[in-house]
Amino acid sequence: GESVGLHLPTLSVQEGDNSIINCAYSNSASDYFIWYKQESGKGPQFIIDIRSNMDKRQGQRVTVLLNKTVKHLSLQIAATQPGDSAVYFCAETRTGGYQKVTFGTGTKLQVIP
Amino acid sequence: DADVTQTPRNRITKTGKRIMLECSQTKGHDRMYWYRQDPGLGLQLIYYSFDVKDINKGEISDGYSVSRQAQAKFSLSLESAIPNQTALYFCATSDSGTPGELFFGEGSRLTVL
Repeated sequence: GESVGLHLPTLSVQEGDNSIINCAYSNSASDYFIWYKQESGKGPQFIIDIRSNMDKRQGQRVTVLLNKTVKHLSLQIAATQPGDSAVYFCAETRTGGYQKVTFGTGTKLQVIP
Repeated sequence: DADVTQTPRNRITKTGKRIMLECSQTKGHDRMYWYRQDPGLGLQLIYYSFDVKDINKGEISDGYSVSRQAQAKFSLSLESAIPNQTALYFCATSDSGTPGELFFGEGSRLTVL
């Protein structure tokens, strides 16, 4: 039968405001987490990562928070700009050995000018 | 020039045809991956390879096969394409030292009629 794509969760944010994108991960053994940004028509791009021995990591205008107790990850974008409009994916993996990278379903960020 | 190059970028084919999607990289990475993306969904891992002699099935390998011809080349084949394999396919690479930081190609859009 015909398959219908799911609608991505969408976050609409006014330009200049801060954005918070959330992600729940599934594997308790994962110890390395990554956020990716996918602009329309392009492949995903690495934004920032965090290892499980940290609970916060900051980059340029972005901050990732990790709560291992509830298996939750968030990406905060400060002073959101139109160029931040994209789909954001969290991903998880394990360091050491041969481990694959598993992606979440994504959140669409719409920046309102 | 792109570091991760996929060919073809777009392909329309018919049910039952054999299709090969090719990926080459100039990053010198040892790890290569093939992901599938359906509208509104995340990225599902099809196959991955951690070096030339290593091939592993991902979450959705049925109906697909791969070949790692060289460190820089990783191709994905659909032996007998079917309509529900219509999707956007991404090749990615990573270095073993930073396993979660994937570098993606621009994608290959495949339509099976």
